Amino acid sequence: TQLLEQSPQFLSIQEGENLTVYCNSSSVFSSLQWYRQEPGEGPVLLVTVVTGGEVKKLKRLTFQFGDARKDSSLHITAAQPGDTGLYLCAGATTSGTYKYIFGTGTRLKVLA
Amino acid sequence: GAVVSQHPSWVICKSGTSVKIECRSLDFQATTMFWYRQFPKQSLMLMATSNEGSKATYEQGVEKDKFLINHASLTLSTLTVTSAHPEDSSFYICSALPGATDTQYFGPGTRLTVL
Repeated sequence: TQLLEQSPQFLSIQEGENLTVYCNSSSVFSSLQWYRQEPGEGPVLLVTVVTGGEVKKLKRLTFQFGDARKDSSLHITAAQPGDTGLYLCAGATTSGTYKYIFGTGTRLKVLA
Repeated sequence: GAVVSQHPSWVICKSGTSVKIECRSLDFQATTMFWYRQFPKQSLMLMATSNEGSKATYEQGVEKDKFLINHASLTLSTLTVTSAHPEDSSFYICSALPGATDTQYFGPGTRLTVL
């Protein structure tokens, strides 16, 4: 069974602080997506990384895909209350049928 | 672009009844759609992969006779929860895959409550 473990599970920080969320697996993925989800809504795509070692920046968010395409990280600089939400990573796998495996999730709360 | 809708957004039903949830890709064609369920404060769990014109592929532990999936066109997939029970109460979310890309686009979800 393929698993994607995210850490930490919960994070409560003050506005302006930096944080990093990790997404780890023993499996190789063809690509990896990061999403943010608000309560009662579907996940919203933040980024897709495809190449091992790839780094993508989206304003204050920096995403990195591990060299072996088994892990990824999301770093937020100067967090703001609007960053509050559930962050999910999802790995695309082609073993068997093409599908996505979601990580366990990281719930972030940024306090003003 | 890449908008996915779900209907209904929420539904309450009695135990033993069946409920159908629709997932539509509004501005693109999707040969593949995915159905997920999400329990409170948990991550998404893949239930099944829906392929247009063929039978759905169910994940281990998901009863195919209870969760009927029909992907009759390139823009519509339906999930029918048959003989619903209170333990089926959950947030059901679909996503659609435009062609051979690596990006799936999610619907807004359907909150099912079984009394």
